[in-house]
Amino acid sequence: GESVGLHLPTLSVQEGDNSIINCAYSNSASDYFIWYKQESGKGPQFIIDIRSNMDKRQGQRVTVLLNKTVKHLSLQIAATQPGDSAVYFCAEKGGFQKLVFGTGTRLLVSP
Amino acid sequence: DVKVTQSSRYLVKRTGEKVFLECVQDMDHENMFWYRQDPGLGLRLIYFSYDVKMKEKGDIPEGYSVSREKKERFSLILESASTNQTSMYLCASSTATLYFYNEQFFGPGTRLTVL
Repeated sequence: GESVGLHLPTLSVQEGDNSIINCAYSNSASDYFIWYKQESGKGPQFIIDIRSNMDKRQGQRVTVLLNKTVKHLSLQIAATQPGDSAVYFCAEKGGFQKLVFGTGTRLLVSP
Repeated sequence: DVKVTQSSRYLVKRTGEKVFLECVQDMDHENMFWYRQDPGLGLRLIYFSYDVKMKEKGDIPEGYSVSREKKERFSLILESASTNQTSMYLCASSTATLYFYNEQFFGPGTRLTVL
């Protein structure tokens, strides 16, 4: 079956640094990927998505990179701020209207 | 703003009780989802509904059932709660698309403890 995994369960960075959160996926046929941010006590919130016909997509302070050759996805956060502290999930399209989520990476930003 | 609300933030029930978790969305979305979130396991899909009265099993449907009588409301039912159903339950909704995919909007979650 499909699986979406994360390399690091916890990532600690200093405020102002750039953060990179990685994600590996197993289904080479996946054509849509999405990143969510989940702050403590809240439901996941959409950050950015990317379709498989793209290698890179940029948002506000975030960039998602897709490497289909090695089935790898990454989320880059520029100038990380304390408010970026959260758990980040990658997900891939998992069939009709559904998503398959990874296990999450906790990002800790220290001042 | 899209809003997905869940009936309770925290719920404590006893083993064997019948438990209802309610979810309401106000954006006229066709799709609604129930997930379970456990540490280290991410979000796992319990049930999915793509229309009123329509439902589809997710990855872990055992011990759960769902009901969708109205478009805006999706209920998760634990027929006889067990301690291994202690978890965070997340509801989500999305618009239906034919070829591409739309993001899912999540509620704040219900933390259920079964004693």
